[in-house]
Amino acid sequence: SQQGEEDPQALSIQEGENATMNCSYKTSINNLQWYRQNSGRGLVHLILIRSNEREKHSGRLRVTLDTSKKSSSLLITASRAADTASYFCVNSGYSTLTFGKGTMLLVSP
Amino acid sequence: SAVISQKPSRDICQRGTSLTIQCQVDSQVTMMFWYRQQPGQSLTLIATANQGSEATYESGFVIDKFPISRPNLTFSTLTVSNMSPEDSSIYLCSGGEQGNEQFFGPGTRLTVL
Repeated sequence: SQQGEEDPQALSIQEGENATMNCSYKTSINNLQWYRQNSGRGLVHLILIRSNEREKHSGRLRVTLDTSKKSSSLLITASRAADTASYFCVNSGYSTLTFGKGTMLLVSP
Repeated sequence: SAVISQKPSRDICQRGTSLTIQCQVDSQVTMMFWYRQQPGQSLTLIATANQGSEATYESGFVIDKFPISRPNLTFSTLTVSNMSPEDSSIYLCSGGEQGNEQFFGPGTRLTVL
């Protein structure tokens, strides 16, 4: 299946803490993308990591990719209440994007 | 990057009627897609909107129910036909280049009574 499985399904933390969410696939990973969806800003692309990359940073985001394990992780450091959202990983090695169920992150002040 | 707008942003419709949703991109994109997101659920891909040809539908979605047009590289429409309450959902369009980030519209919230 092209659909990734995010883990955990829900995560609740305090502001300032780090949040880690994971994504695994049954098929090979080409380019992997992470998206965020919240009620205020809709669905937004966060970061794309290519299959020949192992780690990528963007601001407070750090993404890792292990193609041999068909897995990826997203770390959000020093979380803020505004990070409250659902996060999706998407394997973009195909012509279409298939979204999994996502990780719902709640950051409490 | 691309900015995508959708019209209408929301609508309340009677069962048996049809609604056409418009998706406009501020720049040319190769790929455009339509998704459905039911309450509390993830996104489900309805179809790929192909410019100048028939859309490519995912399993469980058919052209008679969800006709799609894409006359050029910046515009697409999705029609939800013969609506029932089960069609109540958020419908999103996206655009971008294959393998790269997709840009999403704000969604159309449809309620069918």
